[in-house]
Amino acid sequence: NAGVTQTPKFRILKIGQSMTLQCTQDMNHNYMYWYRQDPGMGLKLIYYSVGAGITDKGEVPNGYNVSRSTTEDFPLRLELAAPSQTSVYFCASSSRDESQPQHFGDGTRLSIL
Amino acid sequence: LAKTTQPISMDSYEGQEVNITCSHNNIATNDYITWYQQFPSQGPRFIIQGYKTKVTNEVASLFIPADRKSSTLSLPRVSLSDTAVYYCLVGRQTGRRALTFGSGTRLQVQP
Repeated sequence: NAGVTQTPKFRILKIGQSMTLQCTQDMNHNYMYWYRQDPGMGLKLIYYSVGAGITDKGEVPNGYNVSRSTTEDFPLRLELAAPSQTSVYFCASSSRDESQPQHFGDGTRLSIL
Repeated sequence: LAKTTQPISMDSYEGQEVNITCSHNNIATNDYITWYQQFPSQGPRFIIQGYKTKVTNEVASLFIPADRKSSTLSLPRVSLSDTAVYYCLVGRQTGRRALTFGSGTRLQVQP
């Protein structure tokens, strides 16, 4: 059982470049989330989705975009990368049963230089 | 969403019981209380969840008083491998609402 899979694990970008962080889950979960975690800090919600075709902004959505065309995939797009977006990005998913917890991927460590 | 307050850090020794308290004064009637554990360079991992009274599983216990304005995560006989950050979340994942993580409690277990 793979759970939540994130790719790539590490990436270095130059300022102004763009990239897509991939996230896929095989648990047939309705809810999916993207968080960023800066060094020594907690997780901040960027975007989340409650199902295919439905996405909502979290606390820190500026500079990011998402899409949810399938239940399994929830890619995060960075446009015009900036040094402030250097962080570790975590994807998570959870089922429609609101008593069930979130399952997290191993993260993508992104550096913008 | 209910705001939570937890200690920034705690220290303990191997074999001791550790209790981490989370305050959530404005918890709503239908909110759950959920705790996650995060090791360095890993995503958070679910530990335990409760609604009221006491919940126990193979790794921890969760104590919730009758007024539900706080909760205590209890880790029995900690080991070095329990060194991690522990997050308390309060809310109910429903509809188009998402839970949020705070800064957590950094637990350091010494030999």
